[in-house]
Amino acid sequence: AQRVTQPEKLLSVFKGAPVELKCNYSYSGSPELFWYVQYSRQRLQLLLRHISRESIKGFTADLNKGETSFHLKKPFAQEEDSAMYYCALSLNAGNNRKLIWGLGTSLAVNP
Amino acid sequence: GAGVSQSPSNKVTEKGKDVELRCDPISGHTALYWYRQSLGQGLEFLIYFQGNSAPDKSGLPSDRFSAERTGGSVSTLTIQRTQQEDSAVYLCASSSLTAYNEQFFGPGTRLTVL
Repeated sequence: AQRVTQPEKLLSVFKGAPVELKCNYSYSGSPELFWYVQYSRQRLQLLLRHISRESIKGFTADLNKGETSFHLKKPFAQEEDSAMYYCALSLNAGNNRKLIWGLGTSLAVNP
Repeated sequence: GAGVSQSPSNKVTEKGKDVELRCDPISGHTALYWYRQSLGQGLEFLIYFQGNSAPDKSGLPSDRFSAERTGGSVSTLTIQRTQQEDSAVYLCASSSLTAYNEQFFGPGTRLTVL
């Protein structure tokens, strides 16, 4: 069965420290993975997708098929990075197209 | 153009009453999703529409929950005989069929059942 696991509910780091939000997936097909972010009092929005191999707001995420992981990383965390982060796996089965979501990790960056 | 809108933004109701939540997706987006976000529970998928049909209703928690979409646009999520455990933020998202992975979310409706 398809599943996305984010093992940490809460992650707290100090400003300037590296941060890694973990995401593991279970999927028999070729995975497409995404990170979404929700800042306080803002809408949930797409942060980045593995296909584009982009860096957004200093964040990167590499798909590791051997470890079935898609961890989100940033070398130097900023206070404005404090938010809820969701990892999501794309499911495309016949007429059913949706994302499978992790439970989210709340990142707190302390001054 | 405007993003996804939802109404009402807040709804307080008494246990046992029915409520209707509305979602206006981005114009032209054929896919529409309803989610529930509870404190400490993450994002819970409820139902997915493609056009007016719902290929996946697997996330609806019980038969008290139903949703419809008309004209390939507006969708309503109805909760009958509300219970306290229905209290949550209900989120709607839409996406285009060719880029369904990029979901655009509305601001949500905060439902409180007393």
